[in-house]
Amino acid sequence: GAVVSQHPSRVICKSGTSVKIECRSLDFQATTMFWYRQFPKQSLMLMATSNEGSKATYEQGVEKDKFLINHASLTLSTLTVTSAHPEDSSFYICSASGAPYQETQYFGPGTRLLVL
Amino acid sequence: AQKVTQAQTEISVVEKEDVTLDCVYETRDTTYYLFWYKQPPSGELVFLIRRNSFDEQNEISGRYSWNFQKSTSSFNFTITASQVVDSAVYFCALNSNDYKLSFGAGTTVTVRA
Repeated sequence: GAVVSQHPSRVICKSGTSVKIECRSLDFQATTMFWYRQFPKQSLMLMATSNEGSKATYEQGVEKDKFLINHASLTLSTLTVTSAHPEDSSFYICSASGAPYQETQYFGPGTRLLVL
Repeated sequence: AQKVTQAQTEISVVEKEDVTLDCVYETRDTTYYLFWYKQPPSGELVFLIRRNSFDEQNEISGRYSWNFQKSTSSFNFTITASQVVDSAVYFCALNSNDYKLSFGAGTTVTVRA
């Protein structure tokens, strides 16, 4: 149980385009989803927390107009990187939590974004 | 504020050796949860264990074991008889009231054949 999928696993795009990443909880209802960014050889950096049906809460320093997050259902959250630039290239990973273990986050496989 | 410290950046062992990963945490909350995650080269974080602050029992799962010492704010992880497939980055993490995870910096384990 507690499987989280993420799509796409890898994306290459041109500078200025927008990229959407999907995060799905496959076998449980995710009341909360989290989006992280990870640079090479570093730990995970929390970008935002989203609860189903409400606006995401962004961490300090994360541009909410740049990284649009939608959590429209209990199984799906999306992260859209708008007008992507090379500095947005990174590994983006989502996690989900829900009953009965709300305190445990289960992670997706991540998305490697390369902006040319 | 919460903080997780994994002082070991990298550990390299030969197959079949035991390896212990240290994790020290700081929190003012009385109720909290501790976690270990494994991140293999593929990138996905694999959940290994959750331990709440009221349960100090040590746990063993196959070749993995965990030692939770509340008195020293430590939650150490031991891999017994390591194998090449254990090579990964291991993260210790902590959360409390808001369920946000505070991650340690991670320890890279390399197991050589």
